[in-house]
Amino acid sequence: DAGVTQSPTHLIKTRGQQVTLRCSPKSGHDTVSWYQQALGQGPQFIFQYYEEEERQRGNFPDRFSGHQFPNYSSELNVNALLLGDSALYLCASSLSLQPTDTQYFGPGTRLTVL
Amino acid sequence: GESVGLHLPTLSVQEGDNSIINCAYSNSASDYFIWYKQESGKGPQFIIDIRSNMDKRQGQRVTVLLNKTVKHLSLQIAATQPGDSAVYFCAENPGTASKLTFGTGTRLQVTL
Repeated sequence: DAGVTQSPTHLIKTRGQQVTLRCSPKSGHDTVSWYQQALGQGPQFIFQYYEEEERQRGNFPDRFSGHQFPNYSSELNVNALLLGDSALYLCASSLSLQPTDTQYFGPGTRLTVL
Repeated sequence: GESVGLHLPTLSVQEGDNSIINCAYSNSASDYFIWYKQESGKGPQFIIDIRSNMDKRQGQRVTVLLNKTVKHLSLQIAATQPGDSAVYFCAENPGTASKLTFGTGTRLQVTL
C-alpha cells in the first residue's frame, strides 16, 4: 500500500515565477493538508482540502492556492515566487476531517527560489 | 539527503540509554497531541498520539506524557537505538479543526 507521494522531489525557480506541486494521498484517505517547512523549523499549516474544497487555511497570502481532484489528489500553486518561499513543502493525508485522524506525511518537495 | 533542523536544540544520548524529549505547547484549548519523527530528507513520520483526557500513553518503546496543568508534553524512548537519530516534533491540535501546530523540534543524536 503506497503512502503519501509527492512530485517533484526538487524544484528550482526564479523570483516572480509560478510553481505547481502535486500530492497523492494514502489509499483510502480523502483529506489533504499542505504544510511549509523552512530550514530549521517545524512545518507550518498552509491549507486543507476535503471534497474538493478548501476547508481551512493558515496564515499564508493569496499567492498560495490549491486544488483537490475527484480522486482526492491535490495540487499546491504558488504565484509570484519570493526568495522567502524557499522551503520544503509537505503534503499530509488523513482518513477524514476529524481532528483526531492521524495525518500521514509525504517526503516533501524541496523548492528553491533564486 | 536534506538536512533538517540545523540550529535545533540537540539531545545526545548513548545507545541503550533512555531518551526524554520535552515540548511546551501554547494553546490550553488543544485537545490532541502528536509526536512526529523526521529523518534527514524525509517527511515527518507519526510516532504516537494522546488525547487531552489522558496523561500517559505507551507504544512500542515509546511513552508520551501529558501535563495539562503546565502545558507540557514529553516523549520517552526506551533503549535508544542509532535508528532513533532524527529530529522530533510535537504537534498540537485544538480539537475543533484538523490543522496541526508544530513545535520547534529537538534533534536526537545517538552515540555508540
